[in-house]
Amino acid sequence: EVQLVESGGGLVQPGGSLRLSCAASGFTFSSYWMHWVRQAPGKGLVWVSRINSDGSSTSYADSVKGRFTISRDNAKNTLYLQMNSLRAEDTAVYYCARDKQWLPDYWGQGTLVTVSS
Amino acid sequence: DIQMTQSPSSLSASVGDRVTITCRASQGIRNDLGWYQQKPGKAPKRLIYAASSLQSGVPSRFSGSGSGTEFTLTISSLQPEDFATYYCLQHNSYTWTFGQGTKVEIK
Repeated sequence: EVQLVESGGGLVQPGGSLRLSCAASGFTFSSYWMHWVRQAPGKGLVWVSRINSDGSSTSYADSVKGRFTISRDNAKNTLYLQMNSLRAEDTAVYYCARDKQWLPDYWGQGTLVTVSS
Repeated sequence: DIQMTQSPSSLSASVGDRVTITCRASQGIRNDLGWYQQKPGKAPKRLIYAASSLQSGVPSRFSGSGSGTEFTLTISSLQPEDFATYYCLQHNSYTWTFGQGTKVEIK
């Protein structure tokens, strides 16, 4: 069974940093691209970032480019999102998701990031 | 960047109704589009990929169609468990964009 479990969310002050993790199991993690998607409270889904299977290629939404970094450790079956220079508008539930056929298929349950003073 | 315009933003329907949701892309995206269902407090669930391919385990009352710039999700006979918010998602040139979502409510 495919499982994705996010962690690392919490309360952080504006300008601060946070690193999210996503532990994967139930599939060959190193064979799949992965995504981060976020959802602000009461709002729609927003794609954040994607990484290819070996970590050599990444892409980002314009709203996070230069502030967020996606990475992965295939030996640990773990995906990461390093978030720097956080803003109030980054407050959201962050989901990791596996890519299949160029689109996310399985999703984690999400982790809440709150940026507030 | 490609923009996705999803309509309507909400709709009210009864059990058994046929429901259609549309997404329009700001430029052609071939068939690089999927549809997702999200219930409150839950992660999204993929229903359709490649515009018209049904995800394994998803009931056949869900169907997708379209290519290029106009895409449709159809629920042929709405069931109580289908009341949720639906999103389209496009992929092009290594960026992905969601539509704004359509909330399907009980009439």
